[in-house]
Amino acid sequence: AQSVAQPEDQVNVAEGNPLTVKCTYSVSGNPYLFWYVQYPNRGLQFLLKYITGDNLVKGSYGFEAEFNKSQTSFHLKKPSALVSDSALYFCAVRDPNSGAGSYQLTFGKGTKLSVIP
Amino acid sequence: DTAVSQTPKYLVTQMGNDKSIKCEQNLGHDTMYWYKQDSKKFLKIMFSYNNKELIINETVPNRFSPKSPDKAHLNLHINSLELGDSAVYFCASLGGDQPQHFGDGTRLSIL
Repeated sequence: AQSVAQPEDQVNVAEGNPLTVKCTYSVSGNPYLFWYVQYPNRGLQFLLKYITGDNLVKGSYGFEAEFNKSQTSFHLKKPSALVSDSALYFCAVRDPNSGAGSYQLTFGKGTKLSVIP
Repeated sequence: DTAVSQTPKYLVTQMGNDKSIKCEQNLGHDTMYWYKQDSKKFLKIMFSYNNKELIINETVPNRFSPKSPDKAHLNLHINSLELGDSAVYFCASLGGDQPQHFGDGTRLSIL
């Protein structure tokens, strides 16, 4: 069975500093990995995904993530944090063998990012 | 235009009542989902439908019954509501290899 771990419940960072939100995964085969962001009273919004190719994936709002197969990690990063980045961030993994309709995402428990002015 | 829309946004009701939540997507996607997000923000899949056919049915009480009249709609009916059903319910849709698109959620509170 696939699983995702986000070891930090909360990450605090000063505005303008680089940020990292950690994610590790477990899945048989090559993973499909995703990051989503949730703002208060909103649904999840897609940030970026890794399917194959370059290990550094660029996404929305200046975010990027680095896929590391040996460490089974997919950490989310941003060079310079903004106060507006404060939100709940979810890492998710999809079983690459799942087909249409059975495409199922397994989410981590989420990490609350607070960017301090 | 909202891609995945859920109604109602808020639902406050008493224990024992029956209620429905509706979801519509205008993305032309074949697959739709219901997720439950609990008070600790943990997100868990409940159901998935592909072209109106139930594909995933996680361990969910049979008081929860999804219905898909067509591939653009996936509704969730809940019978005999219990206190533990209080949560935010999210609908999502998926087409091909695209990421899932989520609605803004329905906040269900049981009194």
